[in-house]
Amino acid sequence: EVQLLESGGGLVQPGGSLRISCAASGFTFRTYAMSWVRQAPGKGLEWVSAISGSGRTTYYADSVKGRFTVSRDNSENTLYLQVNSLRAEDTAIYYCAKYRGPHWDQYYFDSWGQGALVTVSS
Amino acid sequence: QSVLTQPPSASGTPGQRVTISCSGSSSNIGSNTVMWYQQLPGTAPKLLIYSNDQRPSGVPDRFSASKSDTSASLAISGLQSEDEADYYCAAWDGSLSAHVFGTGTEVTVL
Repeated sequence: EVQLLESGGGLVQPGGSLRISCAASGFTFRTYAMSWVRQAPGKGLEWVSAISGSGRTTYYADSVKGRFTVSRDNSENTLYLQVNSLRAEDTAIYYCAKYRGPHWDQYYFDSWGQGALVTVSS
Repeated sequence: QSVLTQPPSASGTPGQRVTISCSGSSSNIGSNTVMWYQQLPGTAPKLLIYSNDQRPSGVPDRFSASKSDTSASLAISGLQSEDEADYYCAAWDGSLSAHVFGTGTEVTVL
């Protein structure tokens, strides 16, 4: 059974940083691309970032480009999102999601974690 | 912001059929496959449909979807109270090199 467990969320001041982790189990982690999707309180889903199975290819939403960095440790089956220069509008639940499909343009998110809440406030 | 447009709400009585639209462009729905998610209150999204019209195992066949040009739609037939949730479409956008989600539709069972 696929399990994705996020950790590392919390309260951070504007301009601050945080690293969110996602521990994966139940599948061969290194062979699947992974993604981060966030949801602000009472709002819809927003795709944030993605990373290939090898870690060599990464993508970012324009809203976080230059501030967020996605990475993975395939030896530890863990996905990371380093979030810097945080703003109030980054307050959200951050979900990690596992991709499935033959190629990026056909990928879909087939499993999701329970989410980690990041609150940006002074 | 969301690139795919959905109606904010939809509703029906138990047993009725409800349809949700998802409008995009040539760079996303027009050239890539569409997926649909159901999100119950306080929970993570759940995959309902992938590759435009494919249901994962365990998803009831009351849920169906289709795609035409730059639009897609999700239909829920035989509406049940447990279908009350938010529904989102999504697709890869080749121009943005990013996945994009729809604005979301809240389904209410009257």
